Amino acid sequence: EPEVTQTPSHQVTQMGQEVILRCVPISNHLYFYWYRQILGQKVEFLVSFYNNEISEKSEIFDDQFSVERPDGSNFTLKIRSTKLEDSAMYFCATITGVNEKLFFGSGTQLSVL
Amino acid sequence: RKEVEQDPGPFNVPEGATVAFNCTYSNSASQSFFWYRQDCRKEPKLLMSVYSSGNEDGRFTAQLNRASQYISLLIRDSKLSDSATYLCVVNDPGGSYIPTFGRGTSLIVHP
Repeated sequence: EPEVTQTPSHQVTQMGQEVILRCVPISNHLYFYWYRQILGQKVEFLVSFYNNEISEKSEIFDDQFSVERPDGSNFTLKIRSTKLEDSAMYFCATITGVNEKLFFGSGTQLSVL
Repeated sequence: RKEVEQDPGPFNVPEGATVAFNCTYSNSASQSFFWYRQDCRKEPKLLMSVYSSGNEDGRFTAQLNRASQYISLLIRDSKLSDSATYLCVVNDPGGSYIPTFGRGTSLIVHP
């Protein structure tokens, strides 16, 4: 089965530093998402991306966050100045089209110290 | 944002038991529904889609009740390996297509 690939699997950073989380979506998928999950809590929507632009973002996705698809392959999430509360597992997910199932990457565990 | 609600549990059952989870959703226009399984610190993985007519996959049965706006998951003959968190996912229609997760129901199957 095709896979969504995420790197790195773990990222440790100091508060205030910038981090970039990377995802390689499945090639024929059209919708891309970033979700996060704080330990012990629910999977929360951050942002959706379709046709090379953000289609929706949650209230969590403030000015510190940005996404881009720089080369038509990678899909990145950047956190400009990390806070302690950004510590979470970040999942990239993609789908082929509406009403289809999500394919998840294995996640990046971000720890902000 | 539209809500998806689940009883967090945990449901603690012996091997061989039958257990059922429910999930309620607030948007009556929601169009597609899924159950995902999540193991600790892993990504969610699709368990099964939920169809209007109900569907079964081995020991797992999913049903949709549109009138009452809930979906259910029934697990028969529970195995130790079924221990996980079960996530309900609801896809809402409209221009912004956002699969929305419930907080999950924890299942512990013991010998």
